[in-house]
Amino acid sequence: EAGVTQFPSHSVIEKGQTVTLRCDPISGHDNLYWYRRVMGKEIKFLLHFVKESKQDESGMPNNRFLAERTGGTYSTLKVQPAELEDSGVYFCASSRGGRGYGANVLTFGAGSRLTVL
Amino acid sequence: SQQGEEDPQALSIQEGENATMNCSYKTSINNLQWYRQNSGRGLVHLILIRSNEREKHSGRLRVTLDTSKKSSSLLITASRAADTASYFCATDGVGGGSNYKLTFGKGTLLTVNP
Repeated sequence: EAGVTQFPSHSVIEKGQTVTLRCDPISGHDNLYWYRRVMGKEIKFLLHFVKESKQDESGMPNNRFLAERTGGTYSTLKVQPAELEDSGVYFCASSRGGRGYGANVLTFGAGSRLTVL
Repeated sequence: SQQGEEDPQALSIQEGENATMNCSYKTSINNLQWYRQNSGRGLVHLILIRSNEREKHSGRLRVTLDTSKKSSSLLITASRAADTASYFCATDGVGGGSNYKLTFGKGTLLTVNP
């Protein structure tokens, strides 16, 4: 099966601009997650979709971040306007297990590296 | 607060040696997982150990879990240059639907020298 695909792999933008990251999960995976790793720090949870619904967005830093998942398929994460501290690698992951499923093993994409200048 | 915290932050060994990485966490868990990330790639799941298990093996990997100490270790035996990567532990929480959310640490960067 195809893995989790993320686009773009690297984006360089200036402070104040807008960037949209895209994630295509594994087909049939209802759960989709966004994580972020800022240089040298831990991988932090941003949010979790179950199909098209946001299950948990407690990790979203602020209202400059907007995530959507159209029809429960691919997801986008928009940052508008971007700030310097938004730089990092944004990972998308998906899983088949639903809420309360038990073990939740994630399949990750390669990540989208965002550099804000 | 950070849940998983790996130790050491960096480890350099020679091919053929064993590598041991540790992870500590703060809250009760359902499961603990270890993931590997090669440079420029996504994280890859290695092994999962449940809270009622104490040890688990998978090929050259051995994971232990001590829930009384809230710690886990990952042992890679007979390491190879291809094992060079960052290794992360990830935990999920107890109760309700919180087990869907994995909490990662900063990772251990393992370098295996040929």
